[in-house]
Amino acid sequence: ETGVTQSPTHLIKTRGQQVTLRCSSQSGHNTVSWYQQALGQGPQFIFQYYREEENGRGNFPPRFSGLQFPNYSSELNVNALELDDSALYLCASSLGIAGGPMGLYNEQFFGPGTRLTVL
Amino acid sequence: EDKVVQSPLSLVVHEGDTVTLNCSYEVTNFRSLLWYKQEKKAPTFLFMLTSSGIEKKSGRLSSILDKKELSSILNITATQTGDSAIYLCAVTSSNTGKLIFGQGTTLQVKP
Repeated sequence: ETGVTQSPTHLIKTRGQQVTLRCSSQSGHNTVSWYQQALGQGPQFIFQYYREEENGRGNFPPRFSGLQFPNYSSELNVNALELDDSALYLCASSLGIAGGPMGLYNEQFFGPGTRLTVL
Repeated sequence: EDKVVQSPLSLVVHEGDTVTLNCSYEVTNFRSLLWYKQEKKAPTFLFMLTSSGIEKKSGRLSSILDKKELSSILNITATQTGDSAIYLCAVTSSNTGKLIFGQGTTLQVKP
């Protein structure tokens, strides 16, 4: 186990609803990255947080938002859910280096994921 | 656009066989290539490769990077049923620490 935890494990929502997913990073890590993994695909980068600031964003619409707390845990919020948002949402924890791209020099450790189903 | 392509997409072998998984990439300012194993949910880290031609080994698994060919291979010798999983390849660039993943190779090892 990596020490990265996510909650909830599973979630079922309907179109138009909003959802919040949570991630606790590994002890000593200050960077959290979020990924969306659709069935049969590799994970796609959503965004990354370093010391409570967004530090890079993938090709996802603004209804995907997040934040990081002082203890480096993080939340992913998705508004106005669509059917295509159904996926496994993974968070990855890493140790970032000030002034450099985060997670560049250290591997990212993944949590068990949250399976989101949108009906 | 940065891209990672893995082949084959799926593979079925018998215990004891040796398999080779391929990963090719196109990325601006390549920095590192990583291999992960995904069994149920969380991808677990296998290798990080940054230098061309240097093989990394862990038990029956090994991997090598070829920067000239923009590719990497992951070898698994004497496969076991416990090796059945999705193997993901990802790259990072010097510009950002995000992981750019391929679509994965699904390996099934039959007894």
